[in-house]
Amino acid sequence: SAVISQKPSRDICQRGTSLTIQCQVDSQVTMMFWYRQQPGQSLTLIATANQGSEATYESGFVIDKFPISRPNLTFSTLTVSNMSPEDSSIYLCSVGTSGDSYEQYFGPGTRLTVT
Amino acid sequence: GQSLEQPSEVTAVEGAIVQINCTYQTSGFYGLSWYQQHDGGAPTFLSYNALDGLEETGRFSSFLSRSDSYGYLLLQELQMKDSASYFCAVRDGRTGGFKTIFGAGTRLFVKA
Repeated sequence: SAVISQKPSRDICQRGTSLTIQCQVDSQVTMMFWYRQQPGQSLTLIATANQGSEATYESGFVIDKFPISRPNLTFSTLTVSNMSPEDSSIYLCSVGTSGDSYEQYFGPGTRLTVT
Repeated sequence: GQSLEQPSEVTAVEGAIVQINCTYQTSGFYGLSWYQQHDGGAPTFLSYNALDGLEETGRFSSFLSRSDSYGYLLLQELQMKDSASYFCAVRDGRTGGFKTIFGAGTRLFVKA
């Protein structure tokens, strides 16, 4: 299993500003994932963060808007840049296990409100 | 492409049994997972089926039929605390199975 913490847990930001979300895992992992979830909706993958290489973004998400850092095997950050109210959402980081039974573990999420 | 379908809502009474179905379409199937998410909480892993058949873990069971691209989550002896959203998910075979694609989720309401 993996224990994941995120900071901040929530924030209210003004449009046009940026917010950096931190994700810390209690063990070394190869891949970390960043998701976005609107209340009552499913989880949408933003990008996969690999240590030592650039993040891989999903369709509809670009590096200029959501830059990601992955300086080591236990830590990653996601920045939401030039925010607009449409960016209001819950942002979750996640890691997956290897092996036959693939499980993903999620951080508690960052609830972002953009005014 | 990758897609999953599951009912948007299910309502059941305490003590009953409920089944949440999931059909999927995917390239390179690795396995079907189920996650539970309470309001305000993070998704938590419930089960993973890579092979056909039924997997039982306490009150929860999960079934998979790869030939039908179908699975379900069975919750027995329902309790009020089971009220939550349940997501089926598949590993994205296009990328070696490292990414997970989630269904839209089924909201389960358990009534007294």
